[in-house]
Amino acid sequence: NAGVTQTPKFQVLKTGQSMTLQCAQDMNHEYMSWYRQDPGMGLRLIHYSVGAGITDQGEVPNGYNVSRSTTEDFPLRLLSAAPSQTSVYFCASSYSSAQIRETQYFGPGTRLLVL
Amino acid sequence: AQKVTQAQTEISVVEKEDVTLDCVYETRDTTYYLFWYKQPPSGELVFLIRRNSFDEQNEISGRYSWNFQKSTSSFNFTITASQVVDSAVYFCALSEALPSGTYKYIFGTGTRLKVLA
Repeated sequence: NAGVTQTPKFQVLKTGQSMTLQCAQDMNHEYMSWYRQDPGMGLRLIHYSVGAGITDQGEVPNGYNVSRSTTEDFPLRLLSAAPSQTSVYFCASSYSSAQIRETQYFGPGTRLLVL
Repeated sequence: AQKVTQAQTEISVVEKEDVTLDCVYETRDTTYYLFWYKQPPSGELVFLIRRNSFDEQNEISGRYSWNFQKSTSSFNFTITASQVVDSAVYFCALSEALPSGTYKYIFGTGTRLKVLA
């Protein structure tokens, strides 16, 4: 098992550019999520998905889109990058979407710099 | 609203000292779960422990131990005889049930631990 994988590891964008952060898991996990990590802010939930075709917003969804066409993949799209989206992005997954006891397993992160 | 507070932003200790990282949480739920994650300098997030609200027994795993006290809404993490490899940012998280039937995590802001040789 590769676990949760994310690409790219690092990306530099110019303001207004768009890009997609890729996330994939090979554990047949139902629940997937995206977080951003900023200094002094901890990790904040952007979007999450409880299964293929089902997504919902987290705490900080503005400026980001997601889709879940397969169980394995959960890409995060930045439609028009802004400097405020400079952050480290983590994707995570867990086996079940219905149990609060679920442990989330995280990908290695994508460091994004928007100039 | 649910909340997790890690008041210690940064702690420095000398190798072999014991250190405790504090985590205080707020929740209205009677059933909840608490987690600790470690983020070493390499950047990944590593799961350490999960605890449910009905089990207040302390847990020990090698040099790591966790003290869960519902009376004070705390879930503190102690490293005994710290080592340089323990240098990392440590996050505490609370799992919150959502009306839709799923859940989400609420993270604290993290505590950066520096262990000096």
